[in-house]
Amino acid sequence: GAVVSQHPSRVICKSGTSVKIECRSLDFQATTMFWYRQFPKKSLMLMATSNEGSKATYEQGVEKDKFLINHASLTLSTLTVTSAHPEDSSFYICSAPSLAGGETQYFGPGTRLLVL
Amino acid sequence: AQSVTQLGSHVSVSEGALVLLRCNYSSSVPPYLFWYVQYPNQGLQLLLKYTTGATLVKGINGFEAEFKKSETSFHLTKPSAHMSDAAEYFCAVSPPPIVMRFGAGTRLTVKP
Repeated sequence: GAVVSQHPSRVICKSGTSVKIECRSLDFQATTMFWYRQFPKKSLMLMATSNEGSKATYEQGVEKDKFLINHASLTLSTLTVTSAHPEDSSFYICSAPSLAGGETQYFGPGTRLLVL
Repeated sequence: AQSVTQLGSHVSVSEGALVLLRCNYSSSVPPYLFWYVQYPNQGLQLLLKYTTGATLVKGINGFEAEFKKSETSFHLTKPSAHMSDAAEYFCAVSPPPIVMRFGAGTRLTVKP
């Protein structure tokens, strides 16, 4: 099946720094990718839709200047958490739909961010 | 707008017992429905999905779900629970196209 990778899997940073998380589709192309945030023991909250070659679409309540998304190619989307604060600590998961079977999304393994 | 309600944030069953995880959806258009499983500190793995056609859908690891339009439900079942089934399960709905909304999740515990 299709594989989506994320890097890094875990990151610890100091408050005020920026952190970049990469999401790659390894064996298929994705014009669209999705970024989710998951709080401990909670469901996934859709943050934004990443569109290759155009601006991301953010969900209501998500700060676009705080969570910068760049979809630079058909296999790579990045999420940058700018000026991170402890409340940004969370599990971030990306997903990409396979072009062949568009209704199915393939999820990355997630990135755990801890801001001290 | 689409939404999903999972009844029961925590379900506990004995090994070998029936597993039933409930999911009800709301959708203004014919939905696509999904069940995903998440193990600790991992991403989501697709168990099964319903798009069109047969309403009883079989997935991996012996799970199946039935789409019941009249009840707006998509409950997940497995005849006999195994210890390895202990995980978090998420029901999700997607209107075509593909933006997906997740339920709150149900944590399944399997007792020996």
